[in-house]
Amino acid sequence: QVQLQESGPGLVKPSETLSLTCNVSGGSISSYYWSWIRQSPGKGLEWIGYIYYSGSTNYNPSLKSRVTISLDRSKNQYSLKLSSVTAADTAVYYCATAVAGLDYWGQGTLVTVSS
Amino acid sequence: DIQMTQSPSSLSASVGDRVTITCRASQSISTYLNWYQQKPGKAPKLLIYAASSLQSGVPSRFSGSGSGTDLTLTINSLQPEDFATYYCQQSYSTPWTFGQGTKVDVK
Repeated sequence: QVQLQESGPGLVKPSETLSLTCNVSGGSISSYYWSWIRQSPGKGLEWIGYIYYSGSTNYNPSLKSRVTISLDRSKNQYSLKLSSVTAADTAVYYCATAVAGLDYWGQGTLVTVSS
Repeated sequence: DIQMTQSPSSLSASVGDRVTITCRASQSISTYLNWYQQKPGKAPKLLIYAASSLQSGVPSRFSGSGSGTDLTLTINSLQPEDFATYYCQQSYSTPWTFGQGTKVDVK
């Protein structure tokens, strides 16, 4: 059973870069799609992007200019960086893996953008 | 982007009721449609993938149907643990998009 766990700062200042890591256990990161999704009261569930195990990426065009998702196979984890954040980026951020649908999710981590 | 519209946005039901939630896509998505259940403070849980395939471990009272632009989630004989918010999500094309959610609460 694959388990995912997000980690990273819960508070980020406006204009700075949000950085989160998803640790994968119970399975290898060398398969499937590894996604980031966020949820805010105003916008519901929003897919941020994914990285395929090969390293290829696909980002939501609405965030593409600010997003980077990367893999670290040696640590069996992947990461999200979102630059130039504003209050609109305040949300619960989830990592999730796509096998059939989005089969496995982390518990989510609340990131607040505030000075 | 493909827009996903769920109806209704909320509904009230009783234990034992049959509940139907519809998801309408702004263009045909064939059967590239997944359904999730989310409870407060928890991550969404995959119930149905590819429109009608039941995820392992999910009770058989949940079923999905449809293709194209109109797809449906049905819960037969609603149980107390089924009161939650349900989301559809299309995986036909990126960006993957979600419906706005349907909250099922106690009548």
